[in-house]
Amino acid sequence: EDKVVQSPLSLVVHEGDTVTLNCSYEVTNFRSLLWYKQEKKAPTFLFMLTSSGIEKKSGRLSSILDKKELFSILNITATQTGDSAVYLCAVHSNYKLTFGKGTLLTVNP
Amino acid sequence: EAQVTQNPRYLITVTGKKLTVTCSQNMNHEYMSWYRQDPGLGLRQIYYSMNVEVTDKGDVPEGYKVSRKEKRNFPLILESPSPNQTSLYFCASSLYRNNSPLHFGNGTRLTVT
Repeated sequence: EDKVVQSPLSLVVHEGDTVTLNCSYEVTNFRSLLWYKQEKKAPTFLFMLTSSGIEKKSGRLSSILDKKELFSILNITATQTGDSAVYLCAVHSNYKLTFGKGTLLTVNP
Repeated sequence: EAQVTQNPRYLITVTGKKLTVTCSQNMNHEYMSWYRQDPGLGLRQIYYSMNVEVTDKGDVPEGYKVSRKEKRNFPLILESPSPNQTSLYFCASSLYRNNSPLHFGNGTRLTVT
């Protein structure tokens, strides 16, 4: 059975802090790993990673994949209150997209 | 605007009363899927469709039906809803099944009493 495990489950930081969210996985026939941000509505797509060691970056967010150790990290620098959300990691295998349970990030002013 | 549209956004119903949640996408995507999201359990796939007239079960298909008669539409049918189907439902679509990001609808919050 495919598994995606995210840590920590929740995190509280102050504005300006840097955070690292973790995602480890065990799937059959890995194809890609995706990160989503979910506020009080639908998940919105952040990144898709297919190759090890290549950083994807968008503003203050960045992500990298390690296919040997089977994990990915999502970094957010200089956090803002608008970054408060649940961050979801999902992995594509041959047959399906499996989601982790998410990390709840709260950024306090 | 490219989007996935679900209706209704909120629905309260009683046990056993058949209901349909509609889903439509305007991006010409091949792949469509339904998920339910529950506290502590995350997003779980109910059914998916790789193309017109091709549907298959996800992780939690019991109590649900789907159809894909046209590429853009993928309704979710609950023939006899029960309280354990109270949940937040998301329809999603992507260009292909693998290695394409899923685009989500805004969700349908269903309460079955």
